[in-house]
Amino acid sequence: RKEVEQDPGPFNVPEGATVAFNCTYSNSASQSFFWYRQDCRKEPKLLMSVYSSGNEDGRFTAQLNRASQYISLLIRDSKLSDSATYLCASDSGAGSYQLTFGKGTKLSVIP
Amino acid sequence: DTAVSQTPKYLVTQMGNDKSIKCEQNLGHDTMYWYKQDSKKFLKIMFSYNNKELIINETVPNRFSPKSPDKAHLNLHINSLELGDSAVYFCASSQDIRYYGYTFGSGTRLTVV
Repeated sequence: RKEVEQDPGPFNVPEGATVAFNCTYSNSASQSFFWYRQDCRKEPKLLMSVYSSGNEDGRFTAQLNRASQYISLLIRDSKLSDSATYLCASDSGAGSYQLTFGKGTKLSVIP
Repeated sequence: DTAVSQTPKYLVTQMGNDKSIKCEQNLGHDTMYWYKQDSKKFLKIMFSYNNKELIINETVPNRFSPKSPDKAHLNLHINSLELGDSAVYFCASSQDIRYYGYTFGSGTRLTVV
């Protein structure tokens, strides 16, 4: 079965630290990649799309490595409010019309 | 003004009962989804509708029957509930079938006892 895999963590980091998550995908036909954030007992929310050229949104940087089939999320200057579970997601190729989610990586930012 | 709203938020019911979950989106999106998130936090797609047409029907027991009366609504009816159906069910919508920036509802936490 095609899957998206993540280290479940938890990652416990101090405020101000830089933390990086990786996510591997097994379907080489996947074309679209995303990071979602899910707070405890809340719904997932789109954090950012992941483009081939990489993209940055403030303290967050997402990158795609097609050769090794992984995507990454880098969070700089971690804030307490960054504490959440981060889900990566990919499609299953052109015409798949659905996202497959990883099980998420839990991040706890500690004062 | 909630973009994707689900009702009820919590549902506790006995095994064997039949229950429905409703979802409505006011974003004007064409595509709606049902996802299930189990106790291990694994988020898995169940169904997808595009303009009221069923597009995706994953390997889900026949006891689960979605219904989309119009493109703003997607309901989920579950017959003969089982203990293993306990999970959080999320409705989501997207602009169209090729756009994966989903907006999720707040979820329905179903507990079967």
